[in-house]
Amino acid sequence: DAKTTQPTSMDCAEGRAANLPCNHSTISGNEYVYWYRQIHSQGPQYIIHGLKNNETNEMASLIITEDRKSSTLILPHATLRDTAVYYCIVSTHFSGAGSYQLTFGKGTKLSVIP
Amino acid sequence: EAQVTQNPRYLITVTGKKLTVTCSQNMNHEYMSWYRQDPGLGLRQIYYSMNVEVTDKGDVPEGYKVSRKEKRNFPLILESPSPNQTSLYFCASRAGGRELFFGEGSRLTVL
Repeated sequence: DAKTTQPTSMDCAEGRAANLPCNHSTISGNEYVYWYRQIHSQGPQYIIHGLKNNETNEMASLIITEDRKSSTLILPHATLRDTAVYYCIVSTHFSGAGSYQLTFGKGTKLSVIP
Repeated sequence: EAQVTQNPRYLITVTGKKLTVTCSQNMNHEYMSWYRQDPGLGLRQIYYSMNVEVTDKGDVPEGYKVSRKEKRNFPLILESPSPNQTSLYFCASRAGGRELFFGEGSRLTVL
């Protein structure tokens, strides 16, 4: 069963903010939300992750709703190089013991338009 | 530089000819994993390893073997490749709850 639901594709104008939604209504209390992206056929690249607070780094911001059932990845000023498939994943946070897995769905194909 | 290195990057082979795709990481990561990616199916996990001598099946392990004799290496073995194993393969590693680092991919064609 898919743990996350993302739109298949989205367009964004260059220079504008790209807002990529993700639904994860069955997320459990110890699961984090991770975002990765894959440019063409390169290896996926980590973007950001969070538990319940909003997070920001040099690449993006992650907004998680209070009930944690959905989140939004924000690329503040999209460039052509941000054209990629973006994956939203929920997973437990491995910390030296137990099992940890990242299951990739089909993601959202973001096209940044000039 | 932190990296995951896969070899070969491209390979064309024939049905039944055993092959190994190597994966090596230089970050002392405990966790390593293999994925395959096919059009329309996304990334699917083949096998993973939590540490040396500890491996487990992912979602699509049929037709593959792995070994983890050293922490840095996690080779993927296709004992008798078949055309349905034509795919783009990725190796990845991580430490604890940190991000997953991926290799550049190995594109395999089985004729």
